[in-house]
Amino acid sequence: EAGVAQSPRYKIIEKRQSVAFWCNPISGHATLYWYQQILGQGPKLLIQFQNNGVVDDSQLPKDRFSAERLKGVDSTLKIQPAKLEDSAVYLCASSLVMVGTEAFFGQGTRLTVV
Amino acid sequence: QQQVKQSPQSLIVQKGGIPIINCAYENTAFDYFPWYQQFPGKGPALLIAIRPDVSEKKEGRFTISFNKSAKQFSLHIMDSQPGDSATYFCAASISNFGNEKLTFGTGTRLTIIP
Repeated sequence: EAGVAQSPRYKIIEKRQSVAFWCNPISGHATLYWYQQILGQGPKLLIQFQNNGVVDDSQLPKDRFSAERLKGVDSTLKIQPAKLEDSAVYLCASSLVMVGTEAFFGQGTRLTVV
Repeated sequence: QQQVKQSPQSLIVQKGGIPIINCAYENTAFDYFPWYQQFPGKGPALLIAIRPDVSEKKEGRFTISFNKSAKQFSLHIMDSQPGDSATYFCAASISNFGNEKLTFGTGTRLTIIP
């Protein structure tokens, strides 16, 4: 079974530039999550989708971050404009819609804002 | 904000020893407590999980001990090996028919020395 795919693996941008990350979840997984993992911290949920609808985006900085999941499969996370404090690993995860299901994580995209 | 407090931040144990990582939570509505293992450059992967109806769960060399009254849970690794060297995260969530949102601890960097 293929895992959660993310791209790119690494990205370096200057502050105030924009950047986009892509995620392809495990086939059949209706729930998709984007997490931000700052160095030395645990992952923090940014946004959660079920199919193509947003379940929770309460911790997404909506003035600069946006995410979409068209057709309920792939998802993109965008930052515009980026700030230095956005430097982190952005993790995508997916799971089935059932109680107690496991969330599977991708390898993440390491973003460095300079 | 819902929090999960994890300690220690880092841990060095000799091969064959039993590292113990502790977590504490406040929200009594949490009913799912997984532990994730993360190797450098990889996303977190589910290691073992427990629900509050049991006080202990064992899978291979990994054991979760759960104390509902103290709102604490811990991970024990028996006969630790250098290959267990990784960062370990505890997490907690509230079951919501597949819409669980994991709240992660801050992580413990474990090093097993030969």
